[in-house]
Amino acid sequence: GAGVSQSPSNKVTEKGKDVELRCDPISGHTALYWYRQSLGQGLEFLIYFQGNSAPDKSGLPSDRFSAERTGGSVSTLTIQRTQQEDSAVYLCASTKARYEQYFGPGTRLTVT
Amino acid sequence: AQSVAQPEDQVNVAEGNPLTVKCTYSVSGNPYLFWYVQYPNRGLQFLLKYITGDNLVKGSYGFEAEFNKSQTSFHLKKPSALVSDSALYFCAVRDGKGGGSQGNLIFGKGTKLSVKP
Repeated sequence: GAGVSQSPSNKVTEKGKDVELRCDPISGHTALYWYRQSLGQGLEFLIYFQGNSAPDKSGLPSDRFSAERTGGSVSTLTIQRTQQEDSAVYLCASTKARYEQYFGPGTRLTVT
Repeated sequence: AQSVAQPEDQVNVAEGNPLTVKCTYSVSGNPYLFWYVQYPNRGLQFLLKYITGDNLVKGSYGFEAEFNKSQTSFHLKKPSALVSDSALYFCAVRDGKGGGSQGNLIFGKGTKLSVKP
């Protein structure tokens, strides 16, 4: 079946602009995660949605970052007033009643 | 706090030789341990996991890993490396305290595996 999809695959933006990154999880998956992969920091957890529960936002690096998940499916990660240190690959993962997570191909964000 | 260490940034192996990619972890409860592989410009692919049971777990593409509680390690192994195994490998952990199958993972920095013909 279809895997996790993310869009856009690449995004170049100017410093100070807002960006939205989209994640379509595997159909039926109840849990959705956002991670960030950067050269200096490796893979960092950002935020986690589980069903209708309040999301775990403990990994968000600043209040410029936010995410929502509509209808228990698609998720959007928003970064406001982007900074150069936000440049990274943003990965989305989903799962349903399984311990392992299934990852999308990522969105490469470059802030100039 | 949970943490994962992959002490080697890069591992070089000749094709046909056995390979080992090292991982150690720290959690307060029982560990849930995972290995993922990332090929260039691709997302992470799940290889194998240890949740409970046998310490030796087998996964995709002929890979296996051994959970060693006393050494807090979960090294990834393969008896005979292939050139196509060349990729970036990530070890990840979740604290199993409280149970449940879902929760965020803590990843190591990754180890680049290079297999030469």
